[in-house]
Amino acid sequence: AQKITQTQPGMFVQEKEAVTLDCTYDTSDPSYGLFWYKQPSSGEMIFLIYQGSYDQQNATEGRYSLNFQKARKSANLVISASQLGDSAMYFCAMREDRRALTFGSGTRLQVQP
Amino acid sequence: NAGVTQTPKFQVLKTGQSMTLQCAQDMNHEYMSWYRQDPGMGLRLIHYSVGAGITDQGEVPNGYNVSRSTTEDFPLRLLSAAPSQTSVYFCASRPGDLNYGYTFGSGTRLTVV
Repeated sequence: AQKITQTQPGMFVQEKEAVTLDCTYDTSDPSYGLFWYKQPSSGEMIFLIYQGSYDQQNATEGRYSLNFQKARKSANLVISASQLGDSAMYFCAMREDRRALTFGSGTRLQVQP
Repeated sequence: NAGVTQTPKFQVLKTGQSMTLQCAQDMNHEYMSWYRQDPGMGLRLIHYSVGAGITDQGEVPNGYNVSRSTTEDFPLRLLSAAPSQTSVYFCASRPGDLNYGYTFGSGTRLTVV
């Protein structure tokens, strides 16, 4: 079974609008972390936001927020007020216990003027 | 503060050749890992390390070796290159605190002909 599932291969959003990128995960570890990374066309991996399994509140970092629904095993990324520079691949990833990250297949976001 | 440094940035190998991809970090991070990214796909874990002298296999370890003799360095060895190993390779590191995300290097684009 896939540990991280991103069901949206591609998304379009108008500049200045909000967009939600979906991510569901599967784990039996009680201690885990969920991450979102951005990969622009230049190829580097940029860390955006982190949510721990024991965190009571949804994580926020500037225009990024993580909608964490533990019972549904979902960790959706919300980008508010989209900018042209937000056009990129976005990857959801999970760390189980002390192991390394497992990535989803990614969502390509295109912001239209 | 250089972060995570990967060398070389580009490499072309002939089938059957061996080589080492270098990864060094100057942040005193305990955890290091290697990923490969094939076109249009997410990152897949090759090997990871939770500290000097300790390594473990990831999702796709076949054809690769690693060692961690120091905290700073985590080289990835391709034993006998195959065309299926054509990919972009990323090295990443993070501190021991589980709440931190991984910092990624800029990647090595490897082509095996």
